[in-house]
Amino acid sequence: EVQLVESGGGLVQPGGSLRLSCAASGFTFSDYEMNWVRQAPGKGLEWVSYINKNGNRIYYAASVKGRFTISRDNAKKSLYLQMLSLRVEDTAVYFCARVQSTYYMDVWGIGTAVTVSS
Amino acid sequence: DIQMTQSPSSVSASVGDRVTITCRASQDISYWLAWYQQKPGKAPKFLIYAASSLQSGVPSRFSGSGSGTYFTLTISSLQPEDFATYYCQQANTFPPTFGGGTKVEIK
Repeated sequence: EVQLVESGGGLVQPGGSLRLSCAASGFTFSDYEMNWVRQAPGKGLEWVSYINKNGNRIYYAASVKGRFTISRDNAKKSLYLQMLSLRVEDTAVYFCARVQSTYYMDVWGIGTAVTVSS
Repeated sequence: DIQMTQSPSSVSASVGDRVTITCRASQDISYWLAWYQQKPGKAPKFLIYAASSLQSGVPSRFSGSGSGTYFTLTISSLQPEDFATYYCQQANTFPPTFGGGTKVEIK
């Protein structure tokens, strides 16, 4: 079964950091580009970051650029999001999503919740 | 960034009803549009790509149409499991952007 499972979310104070992980199974992880997408409580979906198959092409949303770092380990079939200098407005459920083609996202994880609060 | 605008933001309908949701792009995106379904507390589910192509396993009561800046998602006969929030997403230009969502509620 094709599956993505995120972990690493939690409660953190403003200015703090977290590292999210996304474990892939059921498909050849190294064959796919990946995204992180987030959803603030009661809000819509917001693309956060993209990484290509070998990790040498990376993009970020303006709202997180300079604070978040996406990476991947194809040997471990895992995607990561290092989040620094967290802000209250980063509070959201973070999903990892597989890129089918172009920018379509055909497989999503269950999400991991990040709460930034003092 | 390309802005995606969905309407209505919510719709009340009964089982068996035909429901149509619209999505407008702030600029021409050709047919590079996807639709997703999301139920509370769940991950989005990929329904349609290239404006009208059904993802494998998606029931045929779902259909998409449109090109350029105007798109629609139609559910021909609403089923109990279809009550959810639907999002459009443009895939023409980086970064990918989503509409604000349309919640399909039980009447």
